[in-house]
Amino acid sequence: AQKVTQAQTEISVVEKEDVTLDCVYETRDTTYYLFWYKQPPSGELVFLIRRNSFDEQNEISGRYSWNFQKSTSSFNFTITASQVVDSAVYFCALRTNFGNEKLTFGTGTRLTIIP
Amino acid sequence: GAGVSQSPSNKVTEKGKDVELRCDPISGHTALYWYRQSLGQGLEFLIYFQGNSAPDKSGLPSDRFSAERTGGSVSTLTIQRTQQEDSAVYLCASCQGARETQYFGPGTRLLVL
Repeated sequence: AQKVTQAQTEISVVEKEDVTLDCVYETRDTTYYLFWYKQPPSGELVFLIRRNSFDEQNEISGRYSWNFQKSTSSFNFTITASQVVDSAVYFCALRTNFGNEKLTFGTGTRLTIIP
Repeated sequence: GAGVSQSPSNKVTEKGKDVELRCDPISGHTALYWYRQSLGQGLEFLIYFQGNSAPDKSGLPSDRFSAERTGGSVSTLTIQRTQQEDSAVYLCASCQGARETQYFGPGTRLLVL
């Protein structure tokens, strides 16, 4: 069975601070994908990044960066120089290449950026 | 291009009534998923359609829930004899193939009184 844990329920930081959202996953499969989605107040889940289990290279996209470490089963997400528009709920998700390949989501982290 | 669309955006119904929720996937996407987001259960998988294959209904919580996908495109999720615990946001996602990234619609907020 798959499991994704986002231990941080809520985080508040002052604008321009850096913030890291943690994600720890469990799976017995050797091939899998990890995702981050953003859910702004409008409610739609917005895709941010996909990582496969064979690629442990960290990725940077503008102010966003992701740190994937198989040794600790973690896929953490850092926002640098946070902005008010970053306020949202962020979900980490796991998908394997077997069965219906559904997404297994963490419980989400609500990020509030204080102006 | 157009993203995944869902209708209605909001639905208020009385306990015991049937409801239908609609999802229009991104054109050309062969895989379609329904998820439910509720306060107590988080985001949970409901059902999966891939091309012309039989759907995977393993996530449906009860036999009051059913879904169909006509012509490999539009999907309808039906909840019969709604209960208050069915109140949630129902999200639809589509992807080009079963192993591709899922893109989500805006959801339908269902409130059962």
